Amino acid sequence: EIVLTQSPGTLSLSPGERASLSCRTSQTISSSYLAWYQQKPGQAPRLLISGASSRATGIPDRFSGSGSGTDFTLTISDLEPEDFAVYYCQQYDSSPYSFGQGTKVEIK
Amino acid sequence: EVQLVQSGAEVKKPGESLRISCKGSGYSFTTFWIGWVRQMPGKGLEWMGIIYPGDSDTRYSPSFQGQVTISADKSINTAYLQWRSLKASDTAMYYCARHTTIFGVVRSLDALDIWGQGTMVTVSS
Repeated sequence: EIVLTQSPGTLSLSPGERASLSCRTSQTISSSYLAWYQQKPGQAPRLLISGASSRATGIPDRFSGSGSGTDFTLTISDLEPEDFAVYYCQQYDSSPYSFGQGTKVEIK
Repeated sequence: EVQLVQSGAEVKKPGESLRISCKGSGYSFTTFWIGWVRQMPGKGLEWMGIIYPGDSDTRYSPSFQGQVTISADKSINTAYLQWRSLKASDTAMYYCARHTTIFGVVRSLDALDIWGQGTMVTVSS
């Protein structure tokens, strides 16, 4: 089973700043099979990035994904007020298709 | 509009059985994998398993194998998550979500692009 470790647990930033979220996997995965999701309180998760770097439909270009092998990054440039939320990575290379534990991006 | 609509919140007692549902619309329900995800109160997302409604091929996370049953009725575009005997530790929000395909390849599996609104299950004596 592939374990995903996200860091940091919480990121305290101000609107307009840049957020960099890390997701490390316990085994090498194909970069085609890593996704990022955003979840706001009381809402279902929303797909942001698939294939490690492809933005989902309707996702603003301030969201970008990168990485390969075991190290992946979600970058949010110029944080907007609506970006403060919890972010999860997920691998779908090998079942069980596990999630990371999440990174909370909070307003500083 | 492509959407997944889940059944409503449930309050059950320990030992009771339960089946919750997830109805797809606006797309070909039989040709996309459907996954189930648990979120316990204040916690993160846990992948439970998936089903391919076209032929009911099902895969489970080892953490949930034997604890729940995932099924589907393709005639009514609905997937199900079922418990035989609920425990207090099953209290959680449960989401269904659709795995999109990779470049439209049949039975391929990409990220979870469409999510249901969630079904809250509360198990308490």
